[in-house]
Amino acid sequence: AQSVTQLDSQVPVFEEAPVELRCNYSSSVSVYLFWYVQYPNQGLQLLLKYLSGSTLVKGINGFEAEFNKSQTSFHLRKPSVHISDTAEYFCAVTPQWPGGGSNYKLTFGKGTLLTVNP
Amino acid sequence: KAGVTQTPRYLIKTRGQQVTLSCSPISGHRSVSWYQQTPGQGLQFLFEYFSETQRNKGNFPGRFSGRQFSNSRSEMNVSTLELGDSALYLCASSSGTSGFPTDTQYFGPGTRLTVL
Repeated sequence: AQSVTQLDSQVPVFEEAPVELRCNYSSSVSVYLFWYVQYPNQGLQLLLKYLSGSTLVKGINGFEAEFNKSQTSFHLRKPSVHISDTAEYFCAVTPQWPGGGSNYKLTFGKGTLLTVNP
Repeated sequence: KAGVTQTPRYLIKTRGQQVTLSCSPISGHRSVSWYQQTPGQGLQFLFEYFSETQRNKGNFPGRFSGRQFSNSRSEMNVSTLELGDSALYLCASSSGTSGFPTDTQYFGPGTRLTVL
């Protein structure tokens, strides 16, 4: 089984400041990793995903994340945030070899509410 | 291209009743997944349908069921509602052909169910 821990439930920052949202995972098998964003009263939108290859993954809206296998982490970063980045961010994993049809079965963290203040 | 649509957006029911939620995927998408989002448990996978067949299932009781029609539209049903079923129910669609995670899941805005 997999589990995801998002270390901060809330992160307040000022506009144009850098931000890092932390995500650690636990799994007995290799995993694929994802970051989703949820704006108020909306569904989830995929920011980026790590499947293989370079451990630095670039996503939409200027976000990037780095996969660190030894620390089992997948932290999300943005060098300069905007007011419009205010949203809840979710880290998620799925096993690489789900076995028995576990496609599309994501395990999510509890989310980090990013609030960008002027 | 129109996105994933879910109806209704808001729903209020009482304990013991049953409810049906609907999801229309993006045109051409054949896979539909359902998730439950609550403040306490977060986002939890319910089930996934592909070509009218349930392909995967999460750890929810049998009161939660679903189906998919030939046009890929999906419905989720919850019988004998409990207070703890109050949640945002999210539907996600993907083409389902390339296989996860190559396929990207596109989420709808959700249906907020309140059980009184």
